[in-house]
Amino acid sequence: EPEVTQTPSHQVTQMGQEVILRCVPISNHLYFYWYRQILGQKVEFLVSFYNNEISEKSEIFDDQFSVERPDGSNFTLKIRSTKLEDSAMYFCASSEKGFTEAFFGQGTRLTVV
Amino acid sequence: QKEVEQNSGPLSVPEGAIASLNCTYSDRVSQSFFWYRQYSGKSPELIMSIYSNGDKEDGRFTAQLNKASQYVSLLIRDSQPSDSATYLCAVNPRAGGTSYGKLTFGQGTILTVHP
Repeated sequence: EPEVTQTPSHQVTQMGQEVILRCVPISNHLYFYWYRQILGQKVEFLVSFYNNEISEKSEIFDDQFSVERPDGSNFTLKIRSTKLEDSAMYFCASSEKGFTEAFFGQGTRLTVV
Repeated sequence: QKEVEQNSGPLSVPEGAIASLNCTYSDRVSQSFFWYRQYSGKSPELIMSIYSNGDKEDGRFTAQLNKASQYVSLLIRDSQPSDSATYLCAVNPRAGGTSYGKLTFGQGTILTVHP
């Protein structure tokens, strides 16, 4: 069964460092997303990406964040200068259309120390 | 602020019983509704989607949608201990043609099914 895959599963980084989280969406999906979940809190939308550009982003997704689809299969989230409050689970998701089911990857646990 | 509200629980039911999970949403134009299951430390797993008023059944799961009341629910029949998880209600606040897929999640309801 097709699935969204994310790497790494866990990343520890020092405050101020750059991190890149990687995702391979389901192959025939056209819409890609990043969400995050701080421990004990709601799943929060960060950004959606369609047709090689950001289609929507939340207030959380400030200039420290960027997304890219560097080739036909990968989708990345970059955090330029990590802060302690960026520690969270980051989930990549994809969907075939903008209003249909979104399938989530297993997540990357980011710990900023 | 577009909100999705769920009772945080915990909801405890005996094995074999029906578990009923509820969700309300504030954005009246919302068109797509989803239930996800999340085990501790894991990612959300899609259980059901529903787009039209009424009931939608899939195995032991039934989703119910009432757009006039801005209410969506999930019933789990013959609950099993393996159903113990947090259930997340998610709403896509835009109509189909204008939607880029952003989901707004509720805080989740913790369900415990005891033997």
